Amino acid sequence: EVQLVESGGGLVQPGGSLRLSCAASGFTFSSYAMSWVRRAPGKGLEWVSAISGGGGSTYYADSVKGRFTISRDNSKNTLYLQMKSLRAEDTAIYYCAKSLGGVNYPIDYWGQGTLVTVSS
Amino acid sequence: QTVVTQEPSFSVSPGGTVTLTCGLSSGSVSTSYYPSWYQQTPGQAPRTLIYSTNTRSSGVPDRFSGSILGNKAALTITGAQADDECDYYCVLYMGSGIWVFGGGTKLTVL
Repeated sequence: EVQLVESGGGLVQPGGSLRLSCAASGFTFSSYAMSWVRRAPGKGLEWVSAISGGGGSTYYADSVKGRFTISRDNSKNTLYLQMKSLRAEDTAIYYCAKSLGGVNYPIDYWGQGTLVTVSS
Repeated sequence: QTVVTQEPSFSVSPGGTVTLTCGLSSGSVSTSYYPSWYQQTPGQAPRTLIYSTNTRSSGVPDRFSGSILGNKAALTITGAQADDECDYYCVLYMGSGIWVFGGGTKLTVL
């Protein structure tokens, strides 16, 4: 059974940093691209970032480019999202998601999410 | 910047059929965009319904189907049930590793 468990969310001040983690199990982690998707309060889903199975290729939404860094440790079956220069508009539930294949394949499994709140 | 469009809200009667659409602010949606559909109930994680235009995800009932209708992707729900009342999102692949979600459709069953 595929399981994705996010952690690392919390309250952070504007301009601060936070690192999210996603522990994956139930599938061959290194064979699949992974993504982060967020949902801000009162808004819809927003694709944030994706990374290839080997970790060599990364992609970002314009809204986070230059501030967020996606990475993965295939030896630990873990996905990360390093977030810097956080803004109030980054407040959201962040979901870890598994793709059906490479980065050009849709998401098939989702984690339960971790809440990030950016506020002073 | 290309925007993915969805109806903000839709209403269907119990037992009825509804078709939600997913378009582009400029251009037509084709299978090359791998249109996919997700369902989200308040407080829950999203659930994958349809991927790559018309493939149902594991465990999704055949009341849900995907297609291309004209210049848009479409999600059709037949025999609507009360627990189908939630938010529905489409996502399109824009190339170069980039995906864009639509704004979502809030479906009411009444």
